[in-house]
Amino acid sequence: NAGVMQNPRHLVRRRGQEARLRCSPMKGHSHVYWYRQLPEEGLKFMVYLQKENIIDESGMPKERFSAEFPKEGPSILRIQQVVRGDSAAYFCASSPPSRPTDTQYFGPGTRLTVL
Amino acid sequence: TQLLEQSPQFLSIQEGENLTVYCNSSSVFSSLQWYRQEPGEGPVLLVTVVTGGEVKKLKRLTFQFGDARKDSSLHITAAQPGDTGLYLCAGGHNKLIFGTGTRLQVFP
Repeated sequence: NAGVMQNPRHLVRRRGQEARLRCSPMKGHSHVYWYRQLPEEGLKFMVYLQKENIIDESGMPKERFSAEFPKEGPSILRIQQVVRGDSAAYFCASSPPSRPTDTQYFGPGTRLTVL
Repeated sequence: TQLLEQSPQFLSIQEGENLTVYCNSSSVFSSLQWYRQEPGEGPVLLVTVVTGGEVKKLKRLTFQFGDARKDSSLHITAAQPGDTGLYLCAGGHNKLIFGTGTRLQVFP
């Protein structure tokens, strides 16, 4: 009974490169959430997706960041032209269709370092 | 804007002691969750409380949701070194708002 899977666990990029973070939700979960944890700060909501739909992206920076959750395959958080300030831990969470707003289960995170 | 304030921010205690962590807000939440996060890992869900006044127990951990659903507490009895970690409360609709966190260190 696998939990939420994220890969890679660690990602190093140089300024200006693209970062792609992947998240596979728990089996049977159709709601995916992305959060960012900056160094010495708390977890902050970025985006909430269901299959093929973005439900709430109010926490996403307006530029360079995008997210998708296709019909098949994992959810992807994409950061274009990364800058040093994007260095953070990015966590994905999922929840079952019956309880979409609470009871979120988190993955181990992807730690992005921008050189 | 909904905010969740946790206290204390840091707590260092000896094995065997009891402790209580508080999570407070001026807003009403339909539910609150408690998570524990260890360094380099994601938050692990401990419990969800839904009903005002609800009390849930998880071995040595007791969680309470305030009657007005604006606050919650986590009580640990006879703390052990394995309880060391960052404790987070969280609530919200569609997107979780996380508390400021309580970093607990239990010394043997």
